[in-house]
Amino acid sequence: QKEVEQNSGPLSVPEGAIASLNCTYSDRGSQSFFWYRQYSGKSPELIMFIYSNGDKEDGRFTAQLNKASQYVSLLIRDSQPSDSATYLCAVIQGNTGKLIFGQGTTLQVKP
Amino acid sequence: SAVISQKPSRDICQRGTSLTIQCQVDSQVTMMFWYRQQPGQSLTLIATANQGSEATYESGFVIDKFPISRPNLTFSTLTVSNMSPEDSSIYLCSVESPARGSQETQYFGPGTRLLVL
Repeated sequence: QKEVEQNSGPLSVPEGAIASLNCTYSDRGSQSFFWYRQYSGKSPELIMFIYSNGDKEDGRFTAQLNKASQYVSLLIRDSQPSDSATYLCAVIQGNTGKLIFGQGTTLQVKP
Repeated sequence: SAVISQKPSRDICQRGTSLTIQCQVDSQVTMMFWYRQQPGQSLTLIATANQGSEATYESGFVIDKFPISRPNLTFSTLTVSNMSPEDSSIYLCSVESPARGSQETQYFGPGTRLLVL
């Protein structure tokens, strides 16, 4: 079992729709969770972090965390073509403190 | 967040040669990290570089192949030694920095795109 799992996609949504990106993790001791966006040919850019169960909203982005289910998600409201990128879920391992990345989900927002 | 620069941004190298990648941060940071991202893959941690101590390497990465320097709190280098085509990848430097007053989180430099022929 991979430590951080994401569906590689591509996830295709029409412009204006809600994009839902999902991530599961295996280490129950993990406490910190991150979403990075990576455009093709660019380096990862931090867009959200979440530490507590529940929802955290920042503009069009909402991160959701459910530690009991070991599940993190990212919702993008009113998706725009400029949101088309690969979204990387990352988790800090509880015992090592290392940041572990998922494989990333490619999002395509079609005009 | 910290501003991070890397040099070179890209390079094409011959097998058997070595390349040193530089990472510069605009503020003092304790923890610096080097990652590799192979084509179509996610990020893999190579090593953690703390100032004043030897770098800590992850499983599958060794100092002879990827020597790292960390001479001060704003600078680090990663050398890819005796390169082979399998080393073709993006190499990324990252640092831990407070995220808008919250816990430390990692920010990435622009990366170095390496092609080994």
